[in-house]
Amino acid sequence: KQEVTQIPAALSVPEGENLVLNCSFTDSAIYNLQWFRQDPGKGLTSLLLIQSSQREQTSGRLNASLDKSSGRSTLYIAASQPGDSATYLCAVSGGGADGLTFGKGTHLIIQP
Amino acid sequence: DGGITQSPKYLFRKEGQNVTLSCEQNLNHDAMYWYRQDPGQGLRLIYYSQIVNDFQKGDIAEGYSVSREKKESFPLTVTSAQKNPTAFYLCASSVDRDTEAFFGQGTRLTVV
Repeated sequence: KQEVTQIPAALSVPEGENLVLNCSFTDSAIYNLQWFRQDPGKGLTSLLLIQSSQREQTSGRLNASLDKSSGRSTLYIAASQPGDSATYLCAVSGGGADGLTFGKGTHLIIQP
Repeated sequence: DGGITQSPKYLFRKEGQNVTLSCEQNLNHDAMYWYRQDPGQGLRLIYYSQIVNDFQKGDIAEGYSVSREKKESFPLTVTSAQKNPTAFYLCASSVDRDTEAFFGQGTRLTVV
């Protein structure tokens, strides 16, 4: 059964720092990997989608990488801002599961 | 604006009642999904539909039912058989199972 783990569970850093969020998955037979952002009490906002054949995707200050063979992805956030404070979720499609399999998220706080 | 609309935002259910959560999308997506989110847990798949008039159980389908009579609509009924329905429910859609998923803003269901 596909399992997704996110490390760390929580992170608090001063504004302006670059940071890395980690995601690992147990079954490498995925179709794609998605990073989402969730604000308290809200739905999920898609940040980046990496297809299984791709190594990385970039959007503004965000860069996500994928190493399918080792079952790992990282989300790099450059020059963090207080508005980046949210929970970041990693999810994979495929790997023997229906729909998306989610990690439990990383709760990020950026201190002004 | 294209997107996914969930209603209501908040819903209260009495013991023994069935309640229905609405999900409508105007993205022309074939695939639609229902997830449940509980504190400290990742999102879990309840039901999904790849095409109109067809749907499949996810990991936690017991106590729930769905229909997919129109491409745009995928309502979820929480029946009295669901013993612990208090949770945040999220609807999603995608072109197909291998493409980017988009989420609604969620419905928070509380048993009173």
